Amino acid sequence: GEDVEQSLFLSVREGDSSVINCTYTDSSSTYLYWYKQEPGAGLQLLTYIFSNMDMKQDQRLTVLLNKKDKHLSLRIADTQTGDSAIYFCAESMGDYKLSFGAGTTVTVRA
Amino acid sequence: DTAVSQTPKYLVTQMGNDKSIKCEQNLGHDTMYWYKQDSKKFLKIMFSYNNKELIINETVPNRFSPKSPDKAHLNLHINSLELGDSAVYFCASSQDELRGYTFGSGTRLTVV
Repeated sequence: GEDVEQSLFLSVREGDSSVINCTYTDSSSTYLYWYKQEPGAGLQLLTYIFSNMDMKQDQRLTVLLNKKDKHLSLRIADTQTGDSAIYFCAESMGDYKLSFGAGTTVTVRA
Repeated sequence: DTAVSQTPKYLVTQMGNDKSIKCEQNLGHDTMYWYKQDSKKFLKIMFSYNNKELIINETVPNRFSPKSPDKAHLNLHINSLELGDSAVYFCASSQDELRGYTFGSGTRLTVV
């Protein structure tokens, strides 16, 4: 996880927006990803962004990419209790290899 | 229906034993992986196979030996298990970079 850094915890009230931030190191990364891990489960691909894009929106999810600062964020609108999980940022390192951040644990409180 | 399936889901074993974890994918992907997730949730790649050929072998003790009998299967054999091997091991597969990985649900290995 040393190539990709994320804050470890985020607490948000139900109905508010969540913003999870990530910084990465490899400027040649082609794709950047957000994965979600619910307790006891594997990682599920939520969304990805190609490195020549600034923004991608997919229903309640908005991904912003600042390539100059190597900063990636995931915004979840109208956060629900089912959004409580660990969110991993990942960058492609070439040869299909992904490097993951340490994960941000999102807790949604009523 | 399961895309990437791993067995067993839980494995509790004594130090010094040898154990295997199996992984199968029915997605037709060419590339399969083993990742280790430690107690702090860090995910580190261990191995990657593309069409049965080893393409990534990170710094992993040689007690860990992957085997890919065909491109739909990637098994992980661990010899002489140690306490530090306790972790969740995830199998994954991918077809290309764009679609990322599809993960299995993990095998929680506990060495006592």
